[in-house]
Amino acid sequence: AQKITQTQPGMFVQEKEAVTLDCTYDTSDPSYGLFWYKQPSSGEMIFLIYQGSYDQQNATEGRYSLNFQKARKSANLVISASQLGDSAMYFCAMREFYTGGGNKLTFGTGTQLKVEL
Amino acid sequence: NAGVTQTPKFQVLKTGQSMTLQCAQDMNHNSMYWYRQDPGMGLRLIYYSASEGTTDKGEVPNGYNVSRLNKREFSLRLESAAPSQTSVYFCASSDYGTGVTYSNQPQHFGDGTRLSIL
Repeated sequence: AQKITQTQPGMFVQEKEAVTLDCTYDTSDPSYGLFWYKQPSSGEMIFLIYQGSYDQQNATEGRYSLNFQKARKSANLVISASQLGDSAMYFCAMREFYTGGGNKLTFGTGTQLKVEL
Repeated sequence: NAGVTQTPKFQVLKTGQSMTLQCAQDMNHNSMYWYRQDPGMGLRLIYYSASEGTTDKGEVPNGYNVSRLNKREFSLRLESAAPSQTSVYFCASSDYGTGVTYSNQPQHFGDGTRLSIL
């Protein structure tokens, strides 16, 4: 079974609108962390936001927020007030603290976001 | 403010040739990683080094070897390149430790090496 599932290969959003990128995960580890990365067309991987499994509140970083639903095993990324520069590939990734070993990350297949005027 | 530096950025090889991808980080991180990125498959871990002196296989280690030369440097070697190894290769580094202090430490990535094998 896939550990990280991103079911939206591609998404379109109008500039200034909010968009939600879906991520579901599968783990039996009681302690884990979820990361979102952005990969623009230039290719670099940019860390956006982190959510720990024991965090009481949903993570927020500027225009990025995480809609973390632990019981559903989902960690959706919400981008508010989309900008043209948000057009990129977005990856969800998970770190499993006890079973994962080290600080290994398992990545989803990504969602390509296109922001339109 | 270099972060993670990968060399080369582009390379074309013929089947059967060997080469080494170099990676260096200047953030004093303990852990380093090699990933490959293929269309539609996200990033897959090839090998990682949790700390200097240790290396372990990731999800797709076949056809690759690694060397953790020192705390800063982690190289990836293709001994006999195959067309299936055509990919974009990323090196990453992170702090590692037990406990809450390290739990939210992200991995920092290099800019990638685009490798084509003919």
